[in-house]
Amino acid sequence: DAKTTQPPSMDCAEGRAANLPCNHSTISGNEYVYWYRQIHSQGPQYIIHGLKNNETNEMASLIITEDRKSSTLILPHATLRDTAVYYCIVHQQGGSEKLVFGKGTKLTVNP
Amino acid sequence: DTGVSQNPRHKITKRGQNVTFRCDPISEHNRLYWYRQTLGQGPEFLTYFQNEAQLEKSRLLSDRFSAERPKGSFSTLEIQRTEQGDSAMYLCASLGLAGEQYFGPGTRLTVT
Repeated sequence: DAKTTQPPSMDCAEGRAANLPCNHSTISGNEYVYWYRQIHSQGPQYIIHGLKNNETNEMASLIITEDRKSSTLILPHATLRDTAVYYCIVHQQGGSEKLVFGKGTKLTVNP
Repeated sequence: DTGVSQNPRHKITKRGQNVTFRCDPISEHNRLYWYRQTLGQGPEFLTYFQNEAQLEKSRLLSDRFSAERPKGSFSTLEIQRTEQGDSAMYLCASLGLAGEQYFGPGTRLTVT
């Protein structure tokens, strides 16, 4: 079973920031938080990951709370092409590295 | 870097037929994963390879399913005696250096 909880859906206006929350209250000290997204009829796409520090790349920012029990993925200026299902996955590096997906959050960016 | 490719993209078959899918991972990636995704659900892990060795199989992978990666490069997933319940998107991914997985576009299987 997935170790994360996400809202099933969210809406965002084009050009505004999209903030997608994720709860992972049972995360272990050596588990990372990974985010993927899946645009309709495509394979999932890796976005970003982090352990305890906030992270930023060209796609998004990841904010992890100090107690690591929740995180927020931020798309700073959402576009229509960001409409997708976003998956938050808690994952331990090493071992099989298999991913356990939940149902994710369906983000709809509106014009 | 041409990414992960999968063929065919779509496959329609009749119940009872055998089908085979191919995945070509990113060339320098040693680990390759197969997932299955049904409508409205997230992908579910099926199996993975480290080079040519198949190291783990999910209980979802029944006896009718077999996967190979003979030379540690491309992989095939075969389903024998297909059933309507096998209709799904079959996804392949390879593992990058930071634990991130790169997915292919998937093969959508429809069993009629």
